[in-house]
Amino acid sequence: KAGVTQTPRYLIKTRGQQVTLSCSPISGHRSVSWYQQTPGQGLQFLFEYFSETQRNKGNFPGRFSGRQFSNSRSEMNVSTLELGDSALYLCASSLEGPGRPGGDTQYFGPGTRLTVL
Amino acid sequence: GNSVTQMEGPVTLSEEAFLTINCTYTATGYPSLFWYVQYPGEGLQLLLKATKADDKGSNKGFEATYRKETTSFHLEKGSVQVSDSAVYFCALSDRSAGGTSYGKLTFGQGTILTVHP
Repeated sequence: KAGVTQTPRYLIKTRGQQVTLSCSPISGHRSVSWYQQTPGQGLQFLFEYFSETQRNKGNFPGRFSGRQFSNSRSEMNVSTLELGDSALYLCASSLEGPGRPGGDTQYFGPGTRLTVL
Repeated sequence: GNSVTQMEGPVTLSEEAFLTINCTYTATGYPSLFWYVQYPGEGLQLLLKATKADDKGSNKGFEATYRKETTSFHLEKGSVQVSDSAVYFCALSDRSAGGTSYGKLTFGQGTILTVHP
């Protein structure tokens, strides 16, 4: 079974631009979570989507948004980029759902490295 | 809220040495516990997990036991190899917390392990 894939792997943007990152979960997984990883703040939870609905959100400004499609693929968007948005953005998928023992085990993609100049 | 604390790093060992990376947690409910490993330039790989007290997760020679009484989940390996050099993250998922827990892993700060030949 193919793992979680993320595109693109690397991005370079300038301040003020916007960016869209894509994530394809493991087949059959309906939950997709997004994380930001930086040397200073570590791994921080952005948001989670399940069946096209955002169920949970971390403490990030509204410039960070996401969505999920009917095939469970997910995108996240960052508008009006700031230098501090430079980070590795990780997507993870899981079987999360009611009555799913072990469904909270998340499997991660390789990440998208975003550099904001 | 939930939190995970890992031992301060980095950890430097010689090949075949014994490894322990300490991890303690605070959770409002009854969490699942995980260890993830991250190699340079890659995403996180699930190393092992445990979902209830006294469960022992194991994989590739690594082990960790879920200790509810001490709220700990220490990672151990009897004989490390150069190829084990990576960053190790302890994490928890607290599904019993309801909506605010959906799809969210809480991570420790990570421990850098370097193994010399």
